[in-house]
Amino acid sequence: DADVTQTPRNRITKTGKRIMLECSQTKGHDRMYWYRQDPGLGLRLIYYSFDVKDINKGEISDGYSVSRQAQAKFSLSLESAIPNQTALYFCATSDTGLRTRQPTGELFFGEGSRLTVL
Amino acid sequence: QQQVKQSPQSLIVQKGGISIINCAYENTAFDYFPWYQQFPGKGPALLIAIRPDVSEKKEGRFTISFNKSAKQFSLHIMDSQPGDSATYFCAARGGVGGFKTIFGAGTRLFVKA
Repeated sequence: DADVTQTPRNRITKTGKRIMLECSQTKGHDRMYWYRQDPGLGLRLIYYSFDVKDINKGEISDGYSVSRQAQAKFSLSLESAIPNQTALYFCATSDTGLRTRQPTGELFFGEGSRLTVL
Repeated sequence: QQQVKQSPQSLIVQKGGISIINCAYENTAFDYFPWYQQFPGKGPALLIAIRPDVSEKKEGRFTISFNKSAKQFSLHIMDSQPGDSATYFCAARGGVGGFKTIFGAGTRLFVKA
């Protein structure tokens, strides 16, 4: 089983619909992230979370919201989807490195959720 | 505003050749510079990473060269193989708390057999 699981893997929806992408992880990491991938633009950070009580905006948070339901679960919502939100979305986790007092820096990604908004 | 600039956008290399991908960054607070490799249908995965206190790191056929004064770093893939065909992202980590990772635009590498 994958350490970082995203659902759904593919979704086609219509403009104005509410969409939720879910992410769960078994790595025991505190930090979780949502990235968006577009051709020629790389990966851009939407939201990130240090722990259940901590939510932070990334580079492109407009039009998105998130919920950290538990340490292992981090969901991304599009309240009213629009066509330019068509993209590949990735959830990622990282370790805080509390034992070493040094974040390791490595991100562990899920396999992605491809969203198409018509 | 792109904080990490990556080039080229795409690259075709003969099997056995050297693949070189370059990146430049702006924020001197970045303290960790990873390269991620992504195959179609998969999420990116860490390939190799370097910290700014060293100028070079080598792992097998993959080498990162880092020039702190020029704020540039590059990935060299020696003896490139068809299995190396993938998209490569450079990245830099920094910001408040030191945990935000900013990615370059990506380079699609194709290694011809």
